[in-house]
Parts: sequence; structure tokens; C-alpha cells
Amino acid sequence: DADVTQTPRNRITKTGKRIMLECSQTKGHDRMYWYRQDPGLGLQLIYYSFDVKDINKGEISDGYSVSRQAQAKFSLSLESAIPNQTALYFCATSDPRGGETQYFGPGTRLLVL
Amino acid sequence: GQNIDQPTEMTATEGAIVQINCTYQTSGFNGLFWYQQHAGEAPTFLSYNVLDGLEEKGRFSSFLSRSKGYSYLLLKELQMKDSASYLCAVRVGSSYKLIFGSGTRLLVRP
Repeated sequence: DADVTQTPRNRITKTGKRIMLECSQTKGHDRMYWYRQDPGLGLQLIYYSFDVKDINKGEISDGYSVSRQAQAKFSLSLESAIPNQTALYFCATSDPRGGETQYFGPGTRLLVL
Repeated sequence: GQNIDQPTEMTATEGAIVQINCTYQTSGFNGLFWYQQHAGEAPTFLSYNVLDGLEEKGRFSSFLSRSKGYSYLLLKELQMKDSASYLCAVRVGSSYKLIFGSGTRLLVRP
């Protein structure tokens, strides 16, 4: 079984809709991250969380919000989706005891019409 | 600001050796990672360097020079399945965030 899972894997939505992307992990890591990836560009950090009570904005947090429901779950919400949020979204986890290597989920491909 | 540069694309022949370079200008350098990413899939960890020198792991090796802000990933005995994007990422500061380069798309030809 995968250590980091994301749901849904693919999603098509319309402008203005609220959607939630979910991430779960069984690695026991405290640190979790949300990235977006656009074609030809690197991964950009949206939000990160070092534990359930510690949530931080990344480089491109505008238009997004997150919730850390438990150590194993970290959700990303788009309150009112817009077309330029069409991208591939990845969740990742890391453990400071493991040198902070980040392990990525399989990704969610989001299309906003 | 933070800046990481990698070539956009490279082409190599099956069985050959290829070197993918990465230069960085960041504050609070705290280690450099290389990831492999096949199209539409998740990045997977390849290597980590925090001290100067060469780290070897099977067919893949990674080198770091902190004074020059430079790293490279060396892939030997190339196989068709090595066709992928290779992402260079720098860990910065005490927050342990990663700053990613745009990636190098490697095409391995028969």
C-alpha cells in the first residue's frame, strides 16, 4: 500500500466552486506539505505544516486554505476555484529524523473550467 | 532571492553517461536533493548532499560544491526507463522548506 495517498486523483470543476483535495499518510511523519506544479515549472509550495497546531503559508498561498485534521491528514481547499488554479497538486511528508527527505503522494490533476 | 538553475532539456544515448548540472543562489543552505519525476507521476527521491563531495548510489551519483553553489547528478549506463525529469531542490533555513528548480527533462534514445 502507498505510504502517501491523495484523493481524488483527477477532478474537473467549474469557476467559483469550492473543492477540497485530501492527503493521508501512514509514514508517521509530523511534517506535511502541499505543492502545485505547472507544465515546465518547478514545484511551488502552497502551505506546510510541522504538526497539527503549526500551519504556515508557502510561496503561493493566496486562493488556498488548509486543514490539518490529524497527524496523518492534511487537506487543501480552493474556496472559489479559478482557471489559473488548473495544475497538478502534490502532497508530501517528511521527518526531521530522516534528514527531511520529502516523500510525495501520487498527485491530483485539477482542471478548472 | 532564491534561484535554482538547471538546463531545460537534455538528450543522451542508451548505455551512455549523462551529467545534469544545477546551480543555486539561496540563503541559509541546508542541503541539496535530487528527485526523479516521470511524466504525470510523483517525484521520487534519488539523492541528498549536505557536505561537499560525491555521493554514489548504484548507477546514480550526486556531487556538491557549496562554495560554488553547484551540484550535478551523474547517471551511468543509461536505460530507456531513465527518460524523465530530474529536479534539483535546495533546503533552506531553519524552516526546512525545499526550493525546487524547474527540472531537466532527459530523453534517452536507443
